[in-house]
Amino acid sequence: QKEVEQDPGPLSVPEGAIVSLNCTYSNSAFQYFMWYRQYSRKGPELLMYTYSSGNKEDGRFTAQVDKSSKYISLFIRDSQPSDSATYLCAMSAEDTGRRALTFGSGTRLQVQP
Amino acid sequence: GAVVSQHPSRVICKSGTSVKIECRSLDFQATTMFWYRQFPKQSLMLMATSNEGSKATYEQGVEKDKFLINHASLTLSTLTVTSAHPEDSSFYICSARDQVRGPPFFGQGTRLTVV
Repeated sequence: QKEVEQDPGPLSVPEGAIVSLNCTYSNSAFQYFMWYRQYSRKGPELLMYTYSSGNKEDGRFTAQVDKSSKYISLFIRDSQPSDSATYLCAMSAEDTGRRALTFGSGTRLQVQP
Repeated sequence: GAVVSQHPSRVICKSGTSVKIECRSLDFQATTMFWYRQFPKQSLMLMATSNEGSKATYEQGVEKDKFLINHASLTLSTLTVTSAHPEDSSFYICSARDQVRGPPFFGQGTRLTVV
């Protein structure tokens, strides 16, 4: 079983829809949670960065972390065709001394105009 | 967000030659840099972690003599693929973190093709 599970998609939605992307994880030591967006043949771009449980909002994006359920989500409101990309969840357990991220496999999102 | 610059973005080399990829943090000091490899439609695979001034820590299965990593300053890390072969063709991506706890930022990636 992978430490971080993420549905690979593809997820296809119409423009303007609310998108929900999710990851589950098994390592309770994870404390920092990130969402990255990656366009084809480009490096990942940081969207959201959260610590421990709770919600964080930034423009059209909302990140949620539920450590008790080991479940994180990213919501995209008013989705646009330019949001079409692969979304990667990532997490780290800093207190263990390992600063590298553990990634989900990524969800491919397609927003249809 | 912080800016990480990776160069070159694309490189084609002949089998048996070596290729160097540079990763620079432009507006912050990166005590830790990471090198990843990504195959088509797959997630990022961590190759190694490098801390400024010390030897890189390689992940299991990554040949350290083939993938040489140097992190000589707080703003520059390099990955050299030595004696490249076609199976080394891939997308290589670096990321960097600053001294204070924060998320890693990624470079644009380098597409390596070995012919």
